[in-house]
Amino acid sequence: DTGVSQNPRHKITKRGQNVTFRCDPISEHNRLYWYRQTLGQGPEFLTYFQNEAQLEKSRLLSDRFSAERPKGSFSTLEIQRTEQGDSAMYLCASSLELNQPQHFGDGTRLSIL
Amino acid sequence: ELKVEQNPLFLSMQEGKNYTIYCNYSTTSDRLYWYRQDPGKSLESLFVLLSNGAVKQEGRLMASLDTKARLSTLHITAAVHDLSATYFCAVDVQVDMRFGAGTRLTVKP
Repeated sequence: DTGVSQNPRHKITKRGQNVTFRCDPISEHNRLYWYRQTLGQGPEFLTYFQNEAQLEKSRLLSDRFSAERPKGSFSTLEIQRTEQGDSAMYLCASSLELNQPQHFGDGTRLSIL
Repeated sequence: ELKVEQNPLFLSMQEGKNYTIYCNYSTTSDRLYWYRQDPGKSLESLFVLLSNGAVKQEGRLMASLDTKARLSTLHITAAVHDLSATYFCAVDVQVDMRFGAGTRLTVKP
């Protein structure tokens, strides 16, 4: 097991296009988190899954954002009709239990032209 | 709303010196985490503090938690260049993990 895996590493797209990112958590981790990080800031929580159930969504997550974890393993984050402000690093993390640290992937850097 | 504030945001220090980074948070929580991030890399977990008075040490770093004061500290002892990175504290309220803005540490020879 090599840790949390995210792909693609980089995504460049034109404004208005849809993009989808994938996250493969550590295999035995049932908790999966998505964050967004902009330059010089800490990660901002977007959403959380326990197994396949999406249990929490941040107010930051507009209607253009949707996340799924259909079989309780990998997760996808889709952004529809991308805007300039969506440019950021999107981080995925997983953990085994609530009181344990989250293990982060290397992120997907999204650039909107 | 939960707020997490770190200070300083930027820290430049000489090798061999000691310094403390502070993390204040605005609501009751007894779960606090410290992470390290190197440029262009993802976050690496350093410490998990789960109770009032918790103290953990790893190498030249020591973290503590005072839940009554809503304060955590990350103390650096005899800094070395390899410690240069950005350090984040994060507070966990239910499942919403809030991160501070980070302290960018540069250790100079």
